[in-house]
Amino acid sequence: EAGVAQSPRYKIIEKRQSVAFWCNPISGHATLYWYQQILGQGPKLLIQFQNNGVVDDSQLPKDRFSAERLKGVDSTLKIQPAKLEDSAVYLCASSLDPASTDTQYFGPGTRLTVL
Amino acid sequence: KQEVTQIPAALSVPEGENLVLNCSFTDSAIYNLQWFRQDPGKGLTSLLLIQSSQREQTSGRLNASLDKSSGRSTLYIAASQPGDSATYLCAPDNYGQNFVFGPGTRLSVLP
Repeated sequence: EAGVAQSPRYKIIEKRQSVAFWCNPISGHATLYWYQQILGQGPKLLIQFQNNGVVDDSQLPKDRFSAERLKGVDSTLKIQPAKLEDSAVYLCASSLDPASTDTQYFGPGTRLTVL
Repeated sequence: KQEVTQIPAALSVPEGENLVLNCSFTDSAIYNLQWFRQDPGKGLTSLLLIQSSQREQTSGRLNASLDKSSGRSTLYIAASQPGDSATYLCAPDNYGQNFVFGPGTRLSVLP
């Protein structure tokens, strides 16, 4: 079974530039999550999708971050414009069904450096 | 708001020791709790998931216990090996509020 795929693996940009990350979840997984992990901290949930609908985006900085999951499969996370404090690893995860006792499967992450 | 702490922040031990990693959380109304492992430059791998009705879960040399009423979980690693070196994170799940991750315990097992 293929795991969660993310690209790019690394990205370096200057502040005020835009950047986009892509995630392809495990086939058949209805729920997709985007997390931000700052160095030395645990991941923080940014947004959760159930199929192509948003379940929780309470911690997403909506003035600069946006995410979509078209057709309930792949997802993109965008930052526009980026700030220095956005430097972090962005992790994508998927699970079959959040209502069940199901684990989340994580991708390798995208390491973003904002200069 | 759920807050999670993990003690110790870092641990370095010789190979073969039995280890105890601690996790504390402030909101005991959890649905389940997971322990994850994170290797440098990689994503997270789920190790154990404990349902709120369970007291413990075991997988190989790993055993996780849960005391929901006191807001604590403990991960035991028996006979540690250099391959166990990684960061271990706990994440309680308040149903409807999703996982809140602790900052992790960085483990180094020396050969």
